[in-house]
Amino acid sequence: GAVVSQHPSRVICKSGTSVKIECRSLDFQATTMFWYRQFPKKSLMLMATSNEGSKATYEQGVEKDKFLINHASLTLSTLTVTSAHPEDSSFYICSAKATSGTSWSLEGTQYFGPGTRLLVL
Amino acid sequence: SQQGEEDPQALSIQEGENATMNCSYKTSINNLQWYRQNSGRGLVHLILIRSNEREKHSGRLRVTLDTSKKSSSLLITASRAADTASYFCATLYGNKLVFGAGTILRVKS
Repeated sequence: GAVVSQHPSRVICKSGTSVKIECRSLDFQATTMFWYRQFPKKSLMLMATSNEGSKATYEQGVEKDKFLINHASLTLSTLTVTSAHPEDSSFYICSAKATSGTSWSLEGTQYFGPGTRLLVL
Repeated sequence: SQQGEEDPQALSIQEGENATMNCSYKTSINNLQWYRQNSGRGLVHLILIRSNEREKHSGRLRVTLDTSKKSSSLLITASRAADTASYFCATLYGNKLVFGAGTILRVKS
């Protein structure tokens, strides 16, 4: 159980285009999903918290118009990188927190997707 | 920044040896978690230790927590080549996980 998928696993795009990344919780419901960015050999930096049915909460320094987040259902959140530039190239990872009251989920545990590697040319 | 520090940044050991990684954090926590990340992959949750616990075991993993020193350690015993990965501690602040800088572990066979 507790499987999170991301699609695509890697994407190459031209500068100026937009890229959408999907994050799905496959076998559980997730009221809250998180989007992280990771640079090579570095730790994960939280970009935003995505809550089902409401606006995402962005971390300081993250442009909400640049990184659009939609959490339309309890199993799907999407991150759209708009007008991508080479400096947006990175590894993007999502995670999902099981809905409160889920018996098998320890408090605060997040289940991570496999990541999406974005390369903007 | 709430992000903690981990040491060592990189660790290279022989198969069969033990590996110890340390993590420090800055403010009070609800719990502390350890994750593993294989190269270019997502994170796998290893173990969670609550703020009122001092030690926890899971298979070959042993985690300690010292809230007075705001530090934790992860010990992997009898390491295997398959343990080669990056290891991150993460502390829970409200709803958010804040990750340490990570330790890159290489186990040579």
